[in-house]
Amino acid sequence: LAKTTQPISMDSYEGQEVNITCSHNNIATNDYITWYQQFPSQGPRFIIQGYKTKVTNEVASLFIPADRKSSTLSLPRVSLSDTAVYYCLVATDRGSTLGRLYFGRGTQLTVWP
Amino acid sequence: KAGVTQTPRYLIKTRGQQVTLSCSPISGHRSVSWYQQTPGQGLQFLFEYFSETQRNKGNFPGRFSGRQFSNSRSEMNVSTLELGDSALYLCASSLGLPGDGETQYFGPGTRLLVL
Repeated sequence: LAKTTQPISMDSYEGQEVNITCSHNNIATNDYITWYQQFPSQGPRFIIQGYKTKVTNEVASLFIPADRKSSTLSLPRVSLSDTAVYYCLVATDRGSTLGRLYFGRGTQLTVWP
Repeated sequence: KAGVTQTPRYLIKTRGQQVTLSCSPISGHRSVSWYQQTPGQGLQFLFEYFSETQRNKGNFPGRFSGRQFSNSRSEMNVSTLELGDSALYLCASSLGLPGDGETQYFGPGTRLLVL
């Protein structure tokens, strides 16, 4: 089962680049990797999704090595409003009644002025 | 286009009671997933429905059940409530199955407090 492991917390300063790595050693061939952002008392918000190599959108980049056993979310030039919990999600055993959707425990990112 | 809506937003129940939570997905979305979020366990997957069929189920006791209607709206039910069921219950919808690359969009959640 493709459970995920992330750092519990990270600190950064405004304007810096932040990289959060998620480990998913048992990821299956057809699984996608998705990252979400969550503020207190709100539902998670989609940030970025990828299958392999690199994906970039207007807010973040996602790097996935060839073995796909990990992925790194990169946030360029963070601001105070990026302070939130970031979750890594991998779907596993798709199509199986034993399939699971796993969120990582989440990484609390705190951005300081 | 309206986002995912969940009702009620807040709920207080006592042990032994049952509760039903409702989720209306984004228009056109056929997949609805439910999650439980607690400070100690984080986000945990409850179940996933697609076209009225339960496709996946998480490791929760049988007291937790759900269903999806023909209009894709979904309900989850928790019977014989326990103190440990106090949590934020989140619903997410997607066009297709999340594991097939479909993005899940989350609602604001229902905060359940069991006394």
